[in-house]
Amino acid sequence: DTEVTQTPKHLVMGMTNKKSLKCEQHMGHRAMYWYKQKAKKPPELMFVYSYEKLSINESVPSRFSPECPNSSLLNLHLHALQPEDSALYLCASSLSTGGEYEQYFGPGTRLTVT
Amino acid sequence: AQSVSQHNHHVILSEAASLELGCNYSYGGTVNLFWYVQYPGQHLQLLLKYFSGDPLVKGIKGFEAEFIKSKFSFNLRKPSVQWSDTAEYFCAVNVKTMEYGNKLVFGAGTILRVKS
Repeated sequence: DTEVTQTPKHLVMGMTNKKSLKCEQHMGHRAMYWYKQKAKKPPELMFVYSYEKLSINESVPSRFSPECPNSSLLNLHLHALQPEDSALYLCASSLSTGGEYEQYFGPGTRLTVT
Repeated sequence: AQSVSQHNHHVILSEAASLELGCNYSYGGTVNLFWYVQYPGQHLQLLLKYFSGDPLVKGIKGFEAEFIKSKFSFNLRKPSVQWSDTAEYFCAVNVKTMEYGNKLVFGAGTILRVKS
């Protein structure tokens, strides 16, 4: 199983809502990532978890709150988002954060903030 | 700051034409290099990767890439493209940062359209 799954596929939320994005992998990977991808742009790194501990936060606003409950799951909690946060949110995983390990990407959650 | 440049934003080719997509990076340390592809409606997938050894690496679907250290380049090639190669191609470089360890930095992407 070389799959990273993400739910939901699409999400529409108002600026006062609280919602969560979920990501799951069963490849035994110990590194998991959240990326944000705006239309016609490359993925931009948001957070990195290594062995369930947050190791990189790329100065992401606090309205995005990541959580790694166990080695297979990664959540992104959303609260009080802005319309400019509308984007495709990608989850990825790799064996570890070592540079030689490829990242496996999920299909993404298309988020629209109204 | 580390950056990855892809020379062409859009490329249109006829089937059977040869493909070369340019990628240059600015980072002086040891790098690991990747090409990812995103087919329409699908998720990012790895095409090929370079870590060390032979600078000419072969990937899936007949793609190959050459690492030229002196030019800080990692260009992607395919001798004869097919309509099914229509996709967006991203060059990515894994850089080691002092603060965080390894981080994957993507180029802006090249949209390839192959006409049948």
